Amino acid sequence: DSGVTQTPKHLITATGQRVTLRCSPRSGDLSVYWYQQSLDQGLQFLIQYYNGEERAKGNILERFSAQQFPDLHSELNLSSLELGDSALYFCASSLSGTGGSDTQYFGPGTRLTVL
Amino acid sequence: GQQVMQIPQYQHVQEGEDFTTYCNSSTTLSNIQWYKQRPGGHPVFLIQLVKSGEVKKQKRLTFQFGEAKKNSSLHITATQTTDVGTYFCAGRLSSGSARQLTFGSGTQLTVLP
Repeated sequence: DSGVTQTPKHLITATGQRVTLRCSPRSGDLSVYWYQQSLDQGLQFLIQYYNGEERAKGNILERFSAQQFPDLHSELNLSSLELGDSALYFCASSLSGTGGSDTQYFGPGTRLTVL
Repeated sequence: GQQVMQIPQYQHVQEGEDFTTYCNSSTTLSNIQWYKQRPGGHPVFLIQLVKSGEVKKQKRLTFQFGEAKKNSSLHITATQTTDVGTYFCAGRLSSGSARQLTFGSGTQLTVLP
């Protein structure tokens, strides 16, 4: 158990819909990262938040947005969903905002299926 | 943009055989991390390498960081069925504002009993 929690575990929805994925980082961690993992694909970095502020942006679509709240939990909002958005979405957290040099602790992931 | 290439994509070995996965970056890295993802699981941090030419060992696993800090390898000696999973390298640029890790595409290891 990494200490990072993600809800829901599974999500099934239809094209055109909007969903929100939630992540609670490990106690004490200030950074939250979101990744997308499609079938047989690697981890695509989407976005990083550090202490409530956006710190780094990766290959995140304009239909996707995220935020980190004062209690440090984060939400990833996916809208106008398409079939190709079906994937595992991982949240990770780390102690500081240095991104690359911190150890990242991954949550169990949310499996999104768009029908 | 920065690319981290990892080979092979898949590897099947007989239990007891050795296994190696290689990671190459198009640009110099400040550090490289390795993660393991078991089937149905999430990535778990294994190790971080920072120095040029660094070699670290964890039991049967040996990690190397190249002299030019552009490549890395993970070698497993005498694989066991518990080694099954996908191994990812992840590197960070040594310069510029990019702070995020760039993950390789992973090597999926199957160990046949």
